[in-house]
Amino acid sequence: DTEVTQTPKHLVMGMTNKKSLKCEQHMGHRAMYWYKQKAKKPPELMFVYSYEKLSINESVPSRFSPECPNSSLLNLHLHALQPEDSALYLCASSQDARILWEQYFGPGTRLTVT
Amino acid sequence: SQQGEEDPQALSIQEGENATMNCSYKTSINNLQWYRQNSGRGLVHLILIRSNEREKHSGRLRVTLDTSKKSSSLLITASRAADTASYFCATAPGGSRLTFGEGTQLTVNP
Repeated sequence: DTEVTQTPKHLVMGMTNKKSLKCEQHMGHRAMYWYKQKAKKPPELMFVYSYEKLSINESVPSRFSPECPNSSLLNLHLHALQPEDSALYLCASSQDARILWEQYFGPGTRLTVT
Repeated sequence: SQQGEEDPQALSIQEGENATMNCSYKTSINNLQWYRQNSGRGLVHLILIRSNEREKHSGRLRVTLDTSKKSSSLLITASRAADTASYFCATAPGGSRLTFGEGTQLTVNP
């Protein structure tokens, strides 16, 4: 199984809402990633988890809160977002966080903040 | 700032033609990767070329790497309408952060 799944596919939320994005992989990968992608732009790294520990936070605002409950799951908790946070949020995984490994991406969650 | 820059930004060709897109990067690398993204969906890994390799093939894909010029190219031969997508090069300069180029939007017309 080389699939990374993400739920939900689409999410519309108000600026006062709290919601969560979920990501799951069953490839035994020990590194998981969150990216943000705006229209017609490349993905931008937000967070990296290595062996279930947060290893990289790319100075992401605290209204985004990642969580890695176990080696297969990755969550992104959202609270008090701004309209400019509307984007495609992509989850990815790789065998580990070393630079040599290719990453497997999920289909993304399209987030709209109203 | 982005590590990679891609050229051209957009490319439109007819089915059966070859498509070539280029990527330039700024710092030394251990490897360079190419990904494809169909409209509004996740990225799919295409090929990884290590810094000590000059050329690599995978099916209809051919990737070259010139570390002296800090550049790479992706050639898709005998293109198909299904190849219509955005193509990104990606590097990890000095660490585990994968950094993507701006991408090339390829359109293959039937």
